[in-house]
Amino acid sequence: ILNVEQSPQSLHVQEGDSTNFTCSFPSSNFYALHWYRWETAKSPEALFVMTLNGDEKKKGRISATLNTKEGYSYLYIKGSQPEDSATYLCAFGVGGGTSYGKLTFGQGTILTVHP
Amino acid sequence: GAGVSQSPSNKVTEKGKDVELRCDPISGHTALYWYRQSLGQGLEFLIYFQGNSAPDKSGLPSDRFSAERTGGSVSTLTIQRTQQEDSAVYLCASTPRVGEETQYFGPGTRLLVL
Repeated sequence: ILNVEQSPQSLHVQEGDSTNFTCSFPSSNFYALHWYRWETAKSPEALFVMTLNGDEKKKGRISATLNTKEGYSYLYIKGSQPEDSATYLCAFGVGGGTSYGKLTFGQGTILTVHP
Repeated sequence: GAGVSQSPSNKVTEKGKDVELRCDPISGHTALYWYRQSLGQGLEFLIYFQGNSAPDKSGLPSDRFSAERTGGSVSTLTIQRTQQEDSAVYLCASTPRVGEETQYFGPGTRLLVL
């Protein structure tokens, strides 16, 4: 059984604050680490997919880093805006075998940005 | 282009009834996945289809759950004799092929079993 843990479970910040969340995952048999944003009543939207240790990806005010050796990824949001309010999900993909292609998701971090 | 669509968007049913949930993947995507999110839980893998290969059903929680994919496109997830613990959001995702990095999700079906 794969365990993907996200922290914190929820977070309330003020508009303009910067924030970050953590995703921890098994460091063995690593293939890919995904981050998704899931807004209420919408489809989960892919933010990043990272496959290499040390990967850093950026999309506007959002960025992510990956450490496969110690099994964690950070998601950063700079200057949070109310429209960033959503659940942020990370998902771990294993390489090869019968599990190839399947993602194991964490429980998500619920971010609320107050104006 | 059109994304992944799911129907119905909401479904309320009585315990013991059967339900069918439908997923239309992105055209040309050969891999299709079903997940569910129960209250307070993470997204849980249920089943995936890749082309004409036998589906990976390893995530289905019981034999009351089954899924089909007709013509390599539309998929139907069927839950027989629904139980209250089946209440969840059921999400479908597709990718051009298994292992393709990004999964494209539909908006989900919110199932409530009374």
